[in-house]
Amino acid sequence: KQEVTQIPAALSVPEGENLVLNCSFTDSAIYNLQWFRQDPGKGLTSLLLIQSSQREQTSGRLNASLDKSSGRSTLYIAASQPGDSATYLCAVIGANSKLTFGKGITLSVRP
Amino acid sequence: GAVVSQHPSRVICKSGTSVKIECRSLDFQATTMFWYRQFPKQSLMLMATSNEGSKATYEQGVEKDKFLINHASLTLSTLTVTSAHPEDSSFYICSAREGVQANQPQHFGDGTRLSIL
Repeated sequence: KQEVTQIPAALSVPEGENLVLNCSFTDSAIYNLQWFRQDPGKGLTSLLLIQSSQREQTSGRLNASLDKSSGRSTLYIAASQPGDSATYLCAVIGANSKLTFGKGITLSVRP
Repeated sequence: GAVVSQHPSRVICKSGTSVKIECRSLDFQATTMFWYRQFPKQSLMLMATSNEGSKATYEQGVEKDKFLINHASLTLSTLTVTSAHPEDSSFYICSAREGVQANQPQHFGDGTRLSIL
């Protein structure tokens, strides 16, 4: 059974700092990996999707990498801003065609 | 980009009431939609997979008679929580998948906060 782990559960950084959010998964047989953002009481916004054949994806200040063999992904946020404060969820789609989510990392960027 | 609309955003009702939640894909056709449940500070847990024109597939431990799912068209799936009780209070989120392949992205609605008194 696929398990997705995100550690730490919460992170607080000063504005302007570059930061890395980590995600690990137990079964490397995945179709793709997605990073989502969730604001309090809201649904999910897809940030980046990495197909299993890809190593990384970039969008603006965000860069996500995927190392399928080791079961790891990182989300790099450059020059963090208070508006980046949210919960970031990592999820993978495996052979069962279902998204398995981590519990998320709640990020707080201090002005 | 692909948009999924979920309605209502919040429901507060008495115990024993049945509640219907709608999930619509606004600018694409979704053969498959998904219903998730999220408890505070927890991850999203898949409840069921909704396939257009056929019966939904429920995850283990999810009561299909309690959570009725209808996917009558390529743009609409509904989740009905029947005879809701306080333990059904939660955040329910739907998603819709573009295309039929498993590696296609899922697009999520804004969720429905259900509170049963």
